[in-house]
Amino acid sequence: RKEVEQDPGPFNVPEGATVAFNCTYSNSASQSFFWYRQDCRKEPKLLMSVYSSGNEDGRFTAQLNRASQYISLLIRDSKLSDSATYLCVVNFGTASKLTFGTGTRLQVTL
Amino acid sequence: DVKVTQSSRYLVKRTGEKVFLECVQDMDHENMFWYRQDPGLGLRLIYFSYDVKMKEKGDIPEGYSVSREKKERFSLILESASTNQTSMYLCASRESLAKNIQYFGAGTRLSVL
Repeated sequence: RKEVEQDPGPFNVPEGATVAFNCTYSNSASQSFFWYRQDCRKEPKLLMSVYSSGNEDGRFTAQLNRASQYISLLIRDSKLSDSATYLCVVNFGTASKLTFGTGTRLQVTL
Repeated sequence: DVKVTQSSRYLVKRTGEKVFLECVQDMDHENMFWYRQDPGLGLRLIYFSYDVKMKEKGDIPEGYSVSREKKERFSLILESASTNQTSMYLCASRESLAKNIQYFGAGTRLSVL
C-alpha cells in the first residue's frame, strides 16, 4: 500500500463548479499535511498547509480527518486557472521528510 | 521571494557518463533536497542535506551521490548515468526543520541515451 494515495483523475469540471479531492495516508503518526499545486511542466508550489481544525484560503478549504487518515481539498467556484495537478503531501516522522502523493489532475473547462 | 535555481532545464547524456546537476538557493536555507519525478510514481526523495557537509539518504539513493560544500549549493551526481535515470529532477530548499515548507526549483529534465 502506498504511503500517500490520491485518485489520479482527471477531474473535468466546468467553470464555477465545486470540486473536492481526497487523499489517504497510511501512517497514523503523521505530523503535518500540505497541499501543493503543480502546473504542467512546472515545479510544485505550496498551495496551503492543512490544520487539524480545517482551514480556508479564499475559494480553497482544506480538512484533516485523523481518525480516518485522510485529508481533503475543496475548491469552490472553479476558475480556468485552477487547472493543475494537486499534490497531497504528508510529513511522517522526526526527520521532517515530506512524502508526496502522485497527484490529482484537475481540468476546468468553459 | 525564495529563489531556487537549477543550472539546466534540459540535459541529454550518454550511458556511462558522469552527470552533475547543480542547485543554488538564495535564502540562506539550512536544508536542501533532491527528488526525481516520474509519471505514476510522483516525487521520490533521493538525498537531502540538513546543513553544509551533511547528507542523508532518501528513499532511492542508489546510483546517486551528493555534495554540499557551501550552504547555498547542493549538487546531485550520477556517477555513471544509466537509461533508468532518465527523469525530471527537482531540487528543493527549506528554511529549517521547524519550518517545513519546501520551495522547488524549476527542474532539470535529464535524458540518458
